[in-house]
Amino acid sequence: AQTVTQSQPEMSVQEAETVTLSCTYDTSESDYYLFWYKQPPSRQMILVIRQEAYKQQNATENRFSVNFQKAAKSFSLKISDSQLGDAAMYFCAYRTDKNSGNTPLVFGKGTRLSVIA
Amino acid sequence: DAGVIQSPRHEVTEMGQEVTLRCKPISGHNSLFWYRQTMMRGLELLIYFNNNVPIDDSGMPEDRFSAKMPNASFSTLKIQPSEPRDSAVYFCASSLGTHSGNTIYFGEGSWLTVV
Repeated sequence: AQTVTQSQPEMSVQEAETVTLSCTYDTSESDYYLFWYKQPPSRQMILVIRQEAYKQQNATENRFSVNFQKAAKSFSLKISDSQLGDAAMYFCAYRTDKNSGNTPLVFGKGTRLSVIA
Repeated sequence: DAGVIQSPRHEVTEMGQEVTLRCKPISGHNSLFWYRQTMMRGLELLIYFNNNVPIDDSGMPEDRFSAKMPNASFSTLKIQPSEPRDSAVYFCASSLGTHSGNTIYFGEGSWLTVV
């Protein structure tokens, strides 16, 4: 079974600075997707960014980018120019690419990010 | 377009009572997932359906939990009888199950407290 590990229960960053959240995963599969979800105090789960394992290029979405190291099974999230609205729980998640896409997400335990004004 | 709709948003019930959580997935989505979130265990998959058929219910804690999906637009998660350790946020999520890269969209959750 696949597992996802987020080793930083809590992180903090100054507003406008950059922060990196770590994630590692364990799998024997070669085809899969990785995701970062954000959960603000409202508890809504919001997709931040996704990465296809077959792509070497790191995904980027505005201020959010990832560092995907397939051999090391590492998938970190970098938030640039941090804003107060970025304060939330961040979950790293894995999804196998088997069964034509009908598979669930496996989540890490999350990292709580605080943004200091 | 409406997102995943869950009800109730909050429920407080007494131990031993039956609890029914409801979910309406996004129209056209054919995969539906139920997750439970607690401080201790994080986000756990309880069960998921493809085309209304349960595929994996190995995450359902015990026989007190049951889930159904009678049609493509409705699912229920039932707990009978409820216990204080069932207190958690229960999320329903849906996706178009044609590609693993497709986004899984989550509802706002049902916050259950069993006293």
